[in-house]
Amino acid sequence: AQTIHQWPVAEIKAVGSPLSLGCTIKGKSSPNLYWYWQATGGTLQQLFYSITVGQVESVVQLNLSASRPKDDQFILSTEKLLLSHSGFYLCAWSLTGGSYEQYFGPGTRLTVL
Amino acid sequence: GQQVQQSPASLVLQEGENAELQCNFSTSLNSMQWFYQRPGGSLVSLFYNPSGTKQSGRLTSTTVIKERRSSLHISSSQTTDSGTYLCAMERKGRTGGNNKLTFGQGTVLSVIP
Repeated sequence: AQTIHQWPVAEIKAVGSPLSLGCTIKGKSSPNLYWYWQATGGTLQQLFYSITVGQVESVVQLNLSASRPKDDQFILSTEKLLLSHSGFYLCAWSLTGGSYEQYFGPGTRLTVL
Repeated sequence: GQQVQQSPASLVLQEGENAELQCNFSTSLNSMQWFYQRPGGSLVSLFYNPSGTKQSGRLTSTTVIKERRSSLHISSSQTTDSGTYLCAMERKGRTGGNNKLTFGQGTVLSVIP
């Protein structure tokens, strides 16, 4: 069975500090990977996607970056947090090469003060 | 413009009543997913329903591609059904292998005893 983990569960960070959020998928090789974000009271929106190791595409510009250093790992980061980065971050995976269901991780709650 | 319109924004029911949640989309559809969003933000997948009708217990999802709509029916509602329900569509004609989900703004359901 496939499992998806996100870390940390929650973060409280200062404006201007760096950030790194992680996501790991176990039990599925070469999945598509996605980052989604939801501002408090807002609508979930996709930030990044990756169809293979080392290849990440940005969907929305939020002064964030993403990387896929391993087949099963997806990292979201920034060197300088903004207040507007606060919210809930979700990682998801799907099969590749067609239209398939997406499976979501438990998420990370980020508060920027 | 908004590609996914979810309605109603909120709904209050007496326990035992039925609920009908709607999702209308303005573009051609590859697939539709329905989620329950926990208060903490994580998603519980309810249905992956590209077309037709699917049922799981008291929940039924119907997607009619030609009419560009999908619905979630909850029968004999219970207080434990209270919460936020999200629909998410994957648009037809994606590029670059991005199975991007576009989320609706959600329906907040309150079931009172």
